[in-house]
Amino acid sequence: SYVVTQPPSVSVAPGQTARITCGGNNIETKSVHWYQQKPGQAPMLVVFDDSDRPSGIPERIFGSNSGSTATLTISRVEAGDEADYYCHVWDSSPDLWVFGGGTKLTVL
Amino acid sequence: QVQLVESGGGVVQPGRSLRLSCAASGFTFSTYGMHWVRQAPGKGLDWVAVIWYDGTKKYYADSVKGRFTISRDNSKNTLYLQMNSLRAEDTAVFYCAREPAAGNGMDIWGQGTTVTVSS
Repeated sequence: SYVVTQPPSVSVAPGQTARITCGGNNIETKSVHWYQQKPGQAPMLVVFDDSDRPSGIPERIFGSNSGSTATLTISRVEAGDEADYYCHVWDSSPDLWVFGGGTKLTVL
Repeated sequence: QVQLVESGGGVVQPGRSLRLSCAASGFTFSTYGMHWVRQAPGKGLDWVAVIWYDGTKKYYADSVKGRFTISRDNSKNTLYLQMNSLRAEDTAVFYCAREPAAGNGMDIWGQGTTVTVSS
């Protein structure tokens, strides 16, 4: 079955840029979605279809997908961005929905 | 407003059964695919099952295939997960989530219901 890999943790100072990666075989051919989850809360979709944002998600959060790696980029990081982030891919053959292991973003 | 509310969680002994429900409101339930996703304590998200908007297709993670059954009642705007032969490793918070179309991402999530499998 399809496997997606994320780094366990990323740390960044306030105001800097955080990049969280998601790797998988031929991932550039799939649509990648990203979720933010804060402690005690349900996950929230922050990027879908590689680079689209749901309404209400700020433009400083954006996604890309090329060269075997999908990336969630958060610019001008704020303390409120501290959370776990999960990438998610649909593998159509067979039909499976796969989550990465999650990346804990720490704002220093 | 758009909302999903899970219920039915609790403490259950290994080998027993439990049925979870997810009540939808604020949107046309019958036009959305619906998922169950779980999260074991301190662990990441783990996809469990999906059902097509009209119930015609259902897919399961290998870890629950043959034990769990996803279903829906569009007349009641409710999603279900029947869980049989429960194991300790099924202990988790179970979330329901909607997906506008296969592969589009899960855009609305419930707050979760906790299932604890323990003797």
